[in-house]
Amino acid sequence: KQEVTQIPAALSVPEGENLVLNCSFTDSAIYNLQWFRQDPGKGLTSLLLIQSSQREQTSGRLNASLDKSSGRSTLYIAASQPGDSATYLCAVPGSSNTGKLIFGQGTTLQVKP
Amino acid sequence: DAGVIQSPRHEVTEMGQEVTLRCKPISGHDYLFWYRQTMMRGLELLIYFNNNVPIDDSGMPEDRFSAKMPNASFSTLKIQPSEPRDSAVYFCASSYGRGGDTIYFGEGSWLTVV
Repeated sequence: KQEVTQIPAALSVPEGENLVLNCSFTDSAIYNLQWFRQDPGKGLTSLLLIQSSQREQTSGRLNASLDKSSGRSTLYIAASQPGDSATYLCAVPGSSNTGKLIFGQGTTLQVKP
Repeated sequence: DAGVIQSPRHEVTEMGQEVTLRCKPISGHDYLFWYRQTMMRGLELLIYFNNNVPIDDSGMPEDRFSAKMPNASFSTLKIQPSEPRDSAVYFCASSYGRGGDTIYFGEGSWLTVV
């Protein structure tokens, strides 16, 4: 059974810092991995989708890496801003070809001005 | 496109009442998902549809929960009768193509059962 874990559960950093959020999964036979952002009272917004054949994806100040063999992904945020404050979740499909996403519990990030 | 649209955004109801949550997926998307989010359990998939057909409903907690998708542009999640432990945020999401591709979430229906 696939399990997804995110560490740390919460993180507070000063503005301008570079930071790394971690995601680990127990079954390395994943089809892809997605990182989402959730603002308070809002739905989830997909940030990056990494296919199993890729090792990383970049979007602006965000870079996500994927190491299937070790069951890990990281989300790197460069030059953090207060507007980055949100909860970040990673998710993998429950099996290779379904829409059933298994989510981590998320990392709640606070970037202080 | 307006994105995934859910209604109501907030609902407070009394235990035992029927609750119906509604969802309009993004036009052209062929997968529709219902998720539930709670502090204790995080995000859990309840059920998902492909081309209006339910594919996996193993996450539906009890017979009190039912979901339908009568056409490509509309889905409902019904709870009857509702219980306080059903209080949660219910998200609808949709995607195009094979499951596991980029998925788009609605803003959720915040349900409180008192």
